[in-house]
Amino acid sequence: QKEVEQNSGPLSVPEGAIASLNCTYSDRGSQSFFWYRQYSGKSPELIMSIYSNGDKEDGRFTAQLNKASQYVSLLIRDSQPSDSATYLCAVNYGNQGGKLIFGQGTELSVKP
Amino acid sequence: GAVVSQHPSWVICKSGTSVKIECRSLDFQATTMFWYRQFPKQSLMLMATSNEGSKATYEQGVEKDKFLINHASLTLSTLTVTSAHPEDSSFYICSAPLVSNYGYTFGSGTRLTVV
Repeated sequence: QKEVEQNSGPLSVPEGAIASLNCTYSDRGSQSFFWYRQYSGKSPELIMSIYSNGDKEDGRFTAQLNKASQYVSLLIRDSQPSDSATYLCAVNYGNQGGKLIFGQGTELSVKP
Repeated sequence: GAVVSQHPSWVICKSGTSVKIECRSLDFQATTMFWYRQFPKQSLMLMATSNEGSKATYEQGVEKDKFLINHASLTLSTLTVTSAHPEDSSFYICSAPLVSNYGYTFGSGTRLTVV
């Protein structure tokens, strides 16, 4: 059973703080890792994708991947109230275009 | 680019009836489509994978006779919920992998309510 685990949340941070979201996965053969943001009643929206060990930065977002520890994280700097949403970690199992398995999601609340 | 159009966005049906959800790739050919279900406050659970021209592959615990998936063309995949019951009420989302990168594109989702 391939699994993706996330912090259960909810996570509450003050505006301007750093929000840290974590995810672990079970299959060492996983190749592609994604962070999605989802608002209630909407489809997931891609925030970051990462494929290699290390950090990947895009604006206020940084994804970190450690394949040896089977761990991927997302840091949101200078958190804004508009960042309040559920963040889903997703892992691709198998070849490119293979099934995407989602974690249970972490609800983030950024307080003004 | 790489848009998947999903319809309807919401539907209410009576118990015992069937509902069809369509996902159409508008500007690319989707040889594979993933179908997810999401209950309130829960994550996306993969139900099945459809491949153009072949039978769908269902995840463990998903009733293939209840959730009929058809992928007859490279631009259209459909999910039919047969003999719907209130417990089938959920948010259904389709997703297609993108050939150009390792990413995925998602439909806008269908909120199904069975009364």
